[in-house]
Amino acid sequence: DSGVTQTPKHLITATGQRVTLRCSPRSGDLSVYWYQQSLDQGLQFLIQYYNGEERAKGNILERFSAQQFPDLHSELNLSSLELGDSALYFCASSVEWTGGAGELFFGEGSRLTVL
Amino acid sequence: GENVEQHPSTLSVQEGDSAVIKCTYSDSASNYFPWYKQELGKGPQLIIDIRSNVGEKKDQRIAVTLNKTAKHFSLHITETQPEDSAVYFCAASITGGSYIPTFGRGTSLIVHP
Repeated sequence: DSGVTQTPKHLITATGQRVTLRCSPRSGDLSVYWYQQSLDQGLQFLIQYYNGEERAKGNILERFSAQQFPDLHSELNLSSLELGDSALYFCASSVEWTGGAGELFFGEGSRLTVL
Repeated sequence: GENVEQHPSTLSVQEGDSAVIKCTYSDSASNYFPWYKQELGKGPQLIIDIRSNVGEKKDQRIAVTLNKTAKHFSLHITETQPEDSAVYFCAASITGGSYIPTFGRGTSLIVHP
């Protein structure tokens, strides 16, 4: 158990809908990362927050947004969903704001299926 | 930005054999190279890492080697066991600053009993 909690574990929705994925980082970790894992694309970095502020942005679509709240939990909002958004979405946390410095602790992911 | 290539995408071995997964990176400034293991239904978990001032690192049956000149690093698993079956990801990043690890596409390792 990494200590990172993600909900929901599975989500099925229709095209055009909006969903929110939630992540609670490990106790004491200030940095949260969101990754998208598709079948043949590996782990694609979406966005990073540190102590409530956005720190880095990857290949995140304009239809997606995220935030980190004062209690350090984070939410990833996906809107106007398309079939291609079906993927496993991972949240990871680390103590420091620089992910390059050390270990990322991943949650078990939220599997999104868009029909 | 950094680009990490990982090969092979699938690796099938018999129990007891060795397995080698190779990665190359493009940014010569990268100096931290972690390897993650993702078991079915789980999130990736760090299994070993290496920094650029070290050429090789071992931890029991796993080892990682780094060739900075060639911008190449590899994961070696000896005496493979069925529980080693998983997807393995390599990554490269720069320590310090807001540098996010860039991951390879993953290698699905299957160890046959």
